[in-house]
Amino acid sequence: DAGVTQSPTHLIKTRGQQVTLRCSPKSGHDTVSWYQQALGQGPQFIFQYYEEEERQRGNFPDRFSGHQFPNYSSELNVNALLLGDSALYLCASSLVRGGLDEQFFGPGTRLTVL
Amino acid sequence: AQTVTQSQPEMSVQEAETVTLSCTYDTSENNYYLFWYKQPPSRQMILVIRQEAYKQQNATENRFSVNFQKAAKSFSLKISDSQLGDTAMYFCAFMKGGATNKLIFGTGTLLAVQP
Repeated sequence: DAGVTQSPTHLIKTRGQQVTLRCSPKSGHDTVSWYQQALGQGPQFIFQYYEEEERQRGNFPDRFSGHQFPNYSSELNVNALLLGDSALYLCASSLVRGGLDEQFFGPGTRLTVL
Repeated sequence: AQTVTQSQPEMSVQEAETVTLSCTYDTSENNYYLFWYKQPPSRQMILVIRQEAYKQQNATENRFSVNFQKAAKSFSLKISDSQLGDTAMYFCAFMKGGATNKLIFGTGTLLAVQP
């Protein structure tokens, strides 16, 4: 049973560029959440997708956008990159069951903005 | 708004000893869940243990157990018989019950298990 996968593993961009990160959820899961983890910090919630709709959003600017596809995989897009966007981006998938939405995390994509 | 506080940035323990990591949280919710996640240097975030707020009994998973004090809003993790593989960053996290299901993390505690 494949777990959550993310691509690419590492990415280097320059300020002002745009980036797309990808996530494939654990088999059978229908919900994808994205988190940003700055160095030395805990992950911060960006947004969550369910049934191809953004269900909830954290305190992130509109430069951060996403998409979920019919096969439940998801993309995170960041426009007009800033130095402060450098972080580990984590994807987590889940399946709402009995009221507890346990989230399984992928290995993350390390984004460096120069 | 909910907050999660981990006041121990780093801790060290000898192999086979017991260590306790602290976590406090703030919420006005009655229905919620608490989690401890482990993030080793490989970066993969792994769920260690979870606690439903409505359960009075403390959760246990093999060598890992929690001390859940609901009135004090405290949720500590005890690791018994520490092993070298327990070396990792440990995050305490809160999730409100219901449909929202976003995790709110603390800043983490870096645990080093010494041989």
